[in-house]
Amino acid sequence: DSGVTQTPKHLITATGQRVTLRCSPRSGDLSVYWYQQSLDQGLQFLIQYYNGEERAKGNILERFSAQQFPDLHSELNLSSLELGDSALYFCASARDYNSPLHFGNGTRLTVT
Amino acid sequence: AQRVTQPEKLLSVFKGAPVELKCNYSYSGSPELFWYVQYSRQRLQLLLRHISRESIKGFTADLNKGETSFHLKKPFAQEEDSAMYYCALGGANNLFFGTGTRLTVIP
Repeated sequence: DSGVTQTPKHLITATGQRVTLRCSPRSGDLSVYWYQQSLDQGLQFLIQYYNGEERAKGNILERFSAQQFPDLHSELNLSSLELGDSALYFCASARDYNSPLHFGNGTRLTVT
Repeated sequence: AQRVTQPEKLLSVFKGAPVELKCNYSYSGSPELFWYVQYSRQRLQLLLRHISRESIKGFTADLNKGETSFHLKKPFAQEEDSAMYYCALGGANNLFFGTGTRLTVIP
């Protein structure tokens, strides 16, 4: 087990709603990455945090936001949800930027 | 700009045949390249990284800076190699993934 925990496993919600996805990194990992995986786009990098600070931003929509807390867990907030936001959202953690990433099992979000 | 290209979405080979999954990258600095694999119903996991120069599960990948490629190769494919493979490029504070190649090994 890689030690990265994501909750919930599944989430079904309606358009226009807001959800929060949670990620607990492996013990000792300071870096947390969020990725979106959809059928057409593959793995899309959203955002990265290191020790509580935002380090890099990818293709993250303005409707989405994230943060990393002092205990290093991270939350990804998705608001004004649209059907196209339905995807698998992965969290990964690493010791530093050149360390291999350890992935969680993902949260499957379905927007109806 | 950083970019990782995996030109094949799907690749099918027969068991025992050689397999090559292509990956090309674009990066102005000194790249860190990785291959990640996702087996059915399992989480994404690291397969190998170029600086290790090791063979994992019979797979190897050589970084070719001239061709900006990091192709994944295995001389004899096995059924258990069927999975989704992602090439990834590590830059400063980030890891960019290609769109992935689904490998199917036909028995």
